[in-house]
Amino acid sequence: SQTIHQWPATLVQPVGSPLSLECTVEGTSNPNLYWYRQAAGRGLQLLFYSVGIGQISSEVPQNLSASRPQDRQFILSSKKLLLSDSGFYLCAWRTGLAKNIQYFGAGTRLSVL
Amino acid sequence: KQEVTQIPAALSVPEGENLVLNCSFTDSAIYNLQWFRQDPGKGLTSLLLIQSSQREQTSGRLNASLDKSSGRSTLYIAASQPGDSATYLCAVRDPDSNSGYALNFGKGTSLLVTP
Repeated sequence: SQTIHQWPATLVQPVGSPLSLECTVEGTSNPNLYWYRQAAGRGLQLLFYSVGIGQISSEVPQNLSASRPQDRQFILSSKKLLLSDSGFYLCAWRTGLAKNIQYFGAGTRLSVL
Repeated sequence: KQEVTQIPAALSVPEGENLVLNCSFTDSAIYNLQWFRQDPGKGLTSLLLIQSSQREQTSGRLNASLDKSSGRSTLYIAASQPGDSATYLCAVRDPDSNSGYALNFGKGTSLLVTP
């Protein structure tokens, strides 16, 4: 069966520090991968998506970047965090099978202080 | 751009009541609509997915309907239980692939079922 791992679960970082959040998927190949952010009082917002290794598309201009070094690994990064980067970050995957359902990781709660 | 709205933002009901959560979307050209449940501080659990050609889906005490032409979906929860307390999110997938088939989410309805 397919599983998605996301870590860390919580993170408290000072403004200006770097960030690296990792997401890995098991039990599937060539998935579409997504990073969403859920900020306070706002809905889930798509940040990045990837349809293959090394292929990253950004939906909104921001202080963050993403990379996909392996088929089932998706990394969210920042060189210098801003206060506005605080939020709940969710990784998700989908394939063309399973009725196009998206599956989500457990999320990372990021607090930038 | 697709906009998804969920009403009400919060709802509190006593245990045993039947309830309806509403979701509306501005562009009726959707590929499918998915209802999720999110517990505090947790990820999303998929509850029901309705393809654009379908009118409803059922799973246990949950029933989701879709009226694509009017841009609406409802999630019906029968005989609510305290364990149903969570935030319920509605999301639609647009038919094109410009965003890698990503989902457009509403802000959710926060449900509290009291014993």
